[in-house]
Amino acid sequence: AQKITQTQPGMFVQEKEAVTLDCTYDTSDQSYGLFWYKQPSSGEMIFLIYQGSYDEQNATEGRYSLNFQKARKSANLVISASQLGDSAMYFCAMRELNTGFQKLVFGTGTRLLVSP
Amino acid sequence: DSGVTQTPKHLITATGQRVTLRCSPRSGDLSVYWYQQSLDQGLQFLIQYYNGEERAKGNILERFSAQQFPDLHSELNLSSLELGDSALYFCASTEGLAGREQYFGPGTRLTVT
Repeated sequence: AQKITQTQPGMFVQEKEAVTLDCTYDTSDQSYGLFWYKQPSSGEMIFLIYQGSYDEQNATEGRYSLNFQKARKSANLVISASQLGDSAMYFCAMRELNTGFQKLVFGTGTRLLVSP
Repeated sequence: DSGVTQTPKHLITATGQRVTLRCSPRSGDLSVYWYQQSLDQGLQFLIQYYNGEERAKGNILERFSAQQFPDLHSELNLSSLELGDSALYFCASTEGLAGREQYFGPGTRLTVT
């Protein structure tokens, strides 16, 4: 069964510094996708970045990059040059691609607080 | 703005009641997914529809049901509501069956008193 583990309930970072949010996953499937979503206090879920299991390069989207280590089954999110607006909950999620199920399985989330 | 709309934004109702949550996917998206986010269960997949047909079921209670209409909007019906059903209910959509990103709506916050 798929499982996502986020071991950091909360993280603090100062503005303009980089921060890494940890995510490990478990799956028996060889083909899967990994996602990060941001949930600000307003509640909406905002897609940040995607990494496919067969992608050879780490995904990057602006200030977001995904540190994908397949052998260690980790998919950490790196936010560079943190901004006050980055304060939010961050969820790692996974979808197995070879099954008929398209559901996302989410981790428990990490609350990031960016201080001035 | 993801392009996915959900109504209502907030809903307060009493135990034992029935409510309907509505979702309109992004233009052109055929797949709709429903998720529940609660304090004790986290974010959980409930059900997926593709072009009007149910495609996958997750941890959806028998008291809950959903459907997708010909215009592709979807409704999630929750009946015999219990206090534990209080949660944020999200709808998400993708273009096809295996769309990469799921675009989430703003959610409907349900409070059962």
